[in-house]
Amino acid sequence: DVKVTQSSRYLVKRTGEKVFLECVQDMDHENMFWYRQDPGLGLRLIYFSYDVKMKEKGDIPEGYSVSREKKERFSLILESASTNQTSMYLCASSLEAGVGGYTFGSGTRLTVV
Amino acid sequence: LAKTTQPISMDSYEGQEVNITCSHNNIATNDYITWYQQFPSQGPRFIIQGYKTKVTNEVASLFIPADRKSSTLSLPRVSLSDTAVYYCLVGALSGNTPLVFGKGTRLSVIA
Repeated sequence: DVKVTQSSRYLVKRTGEKVFLECVQDMDHENMFWYRQDPGLGLRLIYFSYDVKMKEKGDIPEGYSVSREKKERFSLILESASTNQTSMYLCASSLEAGVGGYTFGSGTRLTVV
Repeated sequence: LAKTTQPISMDSYEGQEVNITCSHNNIATNDYITWYQQFPSQGPRFIIQGYKTKVTNEVASLFIPADRKSSTLSLPRVSLSDTAVYYCLVGALSGNTPLVFGKGTRLSVIA
């Protein structure tokens, strides 16, 4: 089975801190994605990447950046954390970017205080 | 991805069959219909996918009429552990358009 591992399950950070959320997949997938999920808003796409060193903005990229130096790892960076970035962050990977075959990690619940 | 419409929430008692319908009037010829399931505090997971007629696996069945403008996810004899949010997505299997999740259908199974 494809496994997508997010480095932290729960994280508490202070306002203004730089935060790194790490995601690793073990099935040589080309595509990786970062979503955030908030009550009543569903999953919203932050950034995605089709290949190493490539990145594309999703629907809500403001306040975030990403890094993909290796195929298996996709990092989400909060440059200066703010309380409105308190959320559940979900990483996913897929062989294709279509509707089939996305595998998600278990999520990181980030609280910014 | 084609726009989809599904109920916001549903309730069911344990042991009942649950059918969740998804409307997708502007489905394209090469689009597939895919359902994901999300348990609380977990990421969504793929449960079933189909193109036409009926698909069945160990988790669910998917019924797709001939015009493909809607589809029905059927969960037989639900249990409390089937309480989750179910997302219907319609689009091509490949391409460069990431998945856009709607709000899904929140299924609550009651004892």
